[in-house]
Amino acid sequence: RKEVEQDPGPFNVPEGATVAFNCTYSNSASQSFFWYRQDCRKEPKLLMSVYSSGNEDGRFTAQLNRASQYISLLIRDSKLSDSATYLCVVNGGGFKTIFGAGTRLFVKA
Amino acid sequence: ETGVTQTPRHLVMGMTNKKSLKCEQHLGHNAMYWYKQSAKKPLELMFVYSLEERVENNSVPSRFSPECPNSSHLFLHLHTLQPEDSALYLCASSQRTGGDNEQFFGPGTRLTVL
Repeated sequence: RKEVEQDPGPFNVPEGATVAFNCTYSNSASQSFFWYRQDCRKEPKLLMSVYSSGNEDGRFTAQLNRASQYISLLIRDSKLSDSATYLCVVNGGGFKTIFGAGTRLFVKA
Repeated sequence: ETGVTQTPRHLVMGMTNKKSLKCEQHLGHNAMYWYKQSAKKPLELMFVYSLEERVENNSVPSRFSPECPNSSHLFLHLHTLQPEDSALYLCASSQRTGGDNEQFFGPGTRLTVL
């Protein structure tokens, strides 16, 4: 089983749609969780951290389910500019940061 | 953006060449990282430096040799690489090591080994 697993997609959605990504992780002792965004031929950038209580930033909502070992990202009212690859990132403590392979999103007009 | 810079941005080298990748961070961070990103694969952590000391080496072949002369600079020395080493090499930095620290990435060096 991969340490961090994501559906690679691609997800093709129209503008204004709501889209959700899930990510599962294998290490139950994992402590920190993030979503990063990577545009085509660019470097990854932090989108948001994921807290146990869930967190929201504008159109983006992240949730953590420790019992089932998954995190989710919900994007509401999708924009063309949301087209990117979304990376699930899990830290199991110390220096061990594991990146998922990413989920590709295409938002079309 | 100039937080983390990398040079060169593109590199083509033969298997017998020796080259070096350079990374510089202007954020006052204490931790620096090298990652490898191959097509359709997750980022693979290669090396971690904290306060100029190497604290993680993820079973990386010896043909990759990191160097961290100070907390702002990180190098990756390359020699006798293989074609399968062709990838995007990303440098990152964070305030310190530890799971809750955001990592800031450089733009990467796209390496092609012929």
